[in-house]
Amino acid sequence: AQRVTQPEKLLSVFKGAPVELKCNYSYSGSPELFWYVQYSRQRLQLLLRHISRESIKGFTADLNKGETSFHLKKPFAQEEDSAMYYCALSGRSNDYKLSFGAGTTVTVRA
Amino acid sequence: DSGVTQTPKHLITATGQRVTLRCSPRSGDLSVYWYQQSLDQGLQFLIQYYNGEERAKGNILERFSAQQFPDLHSELNLSSLELGDSALYFCASSSGQPSSYNSPLHFGNGTRLTVT
Repeated sequence: AQRVTQPEKLLSVFKGAPVELKCNYSYSGSPELFWYVQYSRQRLQLLLRHISRESIKGFTADLNKGETSFHLKKPFAQEEDSAMYYCALSGRSNDYKLSFGAGTTVTVRA
Repeated sequence: DSGVTQTPKHLITATGQRVTLRCSPRSGDLSVYWYQQSLDQGLQFLIQYYNGEERAKGNILERFSAQQFPDLHSELNLSSLELGDSALYFCASSSGQPSSYNSPLHFGNGTRLTVT
C-alpha cells in the first residue's frame, strides 16, 4: 500500500533561514511525487512535481529512492512562504490515486 | 473564473441529516476527485470519477456516495451525518484519467461542513 508521511505538523523558521519539509513514502514501484501548497484563504495548488526537476518560488525537492524521501527545501525562507504544504504520491500500482501526507504548516517569522 | 467551483461554501446541519455537496470541474477536465480534510486526519481521498464512471475509491464511508453527471459536474452525498463528519470537503479535477505528471489536480475552495 502506498503511504506518505510528513513527520512535522508545524515548522517555524525565521525569514532568510533555510527551510526543509520532510516527506517519506512507501510504495511498490516507481512513484510520482508532488508537493502541493495551500496559502491562507487560497485553494490547494500544485507547487512542484519530481519529474520536472524544477525550482518553483525558490523551492526544490529531490526524489531519493534509496531513502524513499522527497523533502522540500528552500535556502532562504520568505514571509510569503507561510502556508500549509502537502506531499503527495501516486502511481500505477494503486491506480494513480493521489495520496496526501498529513501536511506541514510552515510559519516564517520576520 | 474557469477553475473548480464548489457549492455551498459553508453548510451547517444537524446530526442524522443528509446533505449534498456540488462540484463543477475546470472546463475540459474529465476527472473529478473528492477529498475530506479534517484537523486530525489531513487530506483523505474519498472517491474519483472519470467521464461519468467511478474510477477509484478511497476511505469513503457507506453513508457517503457520489456521482458524476453527463455534464461532468459531481455531487457528494453525505447521509446520517455524525459530529465526526464535520470537515472541509474538497473537490479537484484533472484533465487526464490517472493523476500523472501531465495532469495534476486543480482544487476547488472546498465546502466547510459543520454537523451540530
